[in-house]
Amino acid sequence: ETGVTQTPRHLVMGMTNKKSLKCEQHLGHNAMYWYKQSAKKPLELMFVYSLEERVENNSVPSRFSPECPNSSHLFLHLHTLQPEDSALYLCASSQGPTSGYTDTQYFGPGTRLTVL
Amino acid sequence: KQEVTQIPAALSVPEGENLVLNCSFTDSAIYNLQWFRQDPGKGLTSLLLIQSSQREQTSGRLNASLDKSSGRSTLYIAASQPGDSATYLCAVRGFYNQGGKLIFGQGTELSVKP
Repeated sequence: ETGVTQTPRHLVMGMTNKKSLKCEQHLGHNAMYWYKQSAKKPLELMFVYSLEERVENNSVPSRFSPECPNSSHLFLHLHTLQPEDSALYLCASSQGPTSGYTDTQYFGPGTRLTVL
Repeated sequence: KQEVTQIPAALSVPEGENLVLNCSFTDSAIYNLQWFRQDPGKGLTSLLLIQSSQREQTSGRLNASLDKSSGRSTLYIAASQPGDSATYLCAVRGFYNQGGKLIFGQGTELSVKP
């Protein structure tokens, strides 16, 4: 596979469930990002990882827990979510610090999450 | 705090028309500006990236301009086609010590009718 892949593509979960979203990039990049896209709202940056270190946490509630075990993989662990967390969750990657974070970010297709 | 606004929110045009999408931002201290395309239920595809020192970028039928001092960018699409139907997003990036954070507008939903 090439580019940025995300699994699952669709997820329905109850408020008491625990689930994880997975992102994998095959571009040799060093930075990875999680974004949230809610209906009728701009994309919001959630987390940035650079060289497997978290460099930004954009005031995200603790029920979202990111994990970056290596530069190719990024996870978003979900627990006790609320219905308002229903959204499209997008992962992206870029060259990262070697380019001063100024280069293009490549996005995955997203996971459509519905919280009942 | 940087805010990005896109006008119009939605646009419907007949095939073959030339059209302009607008993007404005409140803080002119940006590193670059990027235009993306998003098809329904899918991720984003980068169309054009303009560095702050540049005035425009072109790719095929697309031309993006940047006027940093006035906080504006336009995306010009020539000879529109039904395949251009998608949501177009504008995003600005602050300087590198902000971790490459992109601030997005809400997008313009474009429909090109055959």
